[in-house]
Amino acid sequence: LAKTTQPISMDSYEGQEVNITCSHNNIATNDYITWYQQFPSQGPRFIIQGYKTKVTNEVASLFIPADRKSSTLSLPRVSLSDTAVYYCLVGDLATGGYNKLIFGAGTRLAVHP
Amino acid sequence: SQTIHQWPATLVQPVGSPLSLECTVEGTSNPNLYWYRQAAGRGLQLLFYSVGIGQISSEVPQNLSASRPQDRQFILSSKKLLLSDSGFYLCAWIASGTGNGYTFGSGTRLTVV
Repeated sequence: LAKTTQPISMDSYEGQEVNITCSHNNIATNDYITWYQQFPSQGPRFIIQGYKTKVTNEVASLFIPADRKSSTLSLPRVSLSDTAVYYCLVGDLATGGYNKLIFGAGTRLAVHP
Repeated sequence: SQTIHQWPATLVQPVGSPLSLECTVEGTSNPNLYWYRQAAGRGLQLLFYSVGIGQISSEVPQNLSASRPQDRQFILSSKKLLLSDSGFYLCAWIASGTGNGYTFGSGTRLTVV
């Protein structure tokens, strides 16, 4: 299983763009990269998923370089409500590798007024 | 649409008492089901996962057990709770091969006193 490494915490201000980078040096060929967001006393919520290059949805963008050894979650113009813990995970969707996905400590993002 | 139900939301139990937490999923069939535990300020720890009725895999040795008596029902149990069992318990499901990641329940805050 590919291990992921993220910064423990980040601080930002309202209206700024926030980029959270995750390292996954041992990512396997069939692994996808998925990011989750968790608010206190709630379950994590799926944000975005990708395999390579760039993925964008209404919430965030995910940038994955060609070697796929890292990925960057980009949150445009954050607001106070984006204060949460963000988790990066890698796993194989097709063959059941998701059966053993492990959540690390995540990145605690604090957005200030 | 698919939904996941988890109850109760909060629970205070004395040491040595039994535990039963239930999770049900609606709107899908043959989901992969998971139990996670989160200690205060920590990441999520995978406890059990199940790929089908009666099929349970344990990730961490402990005094907890899990069962899957029906396709969309996942139960976490203990015969005798320990203080260290306190935490935030989350049930999650995923459909194999999909691109939407886990869907988590709302969680149960268990306090063992």
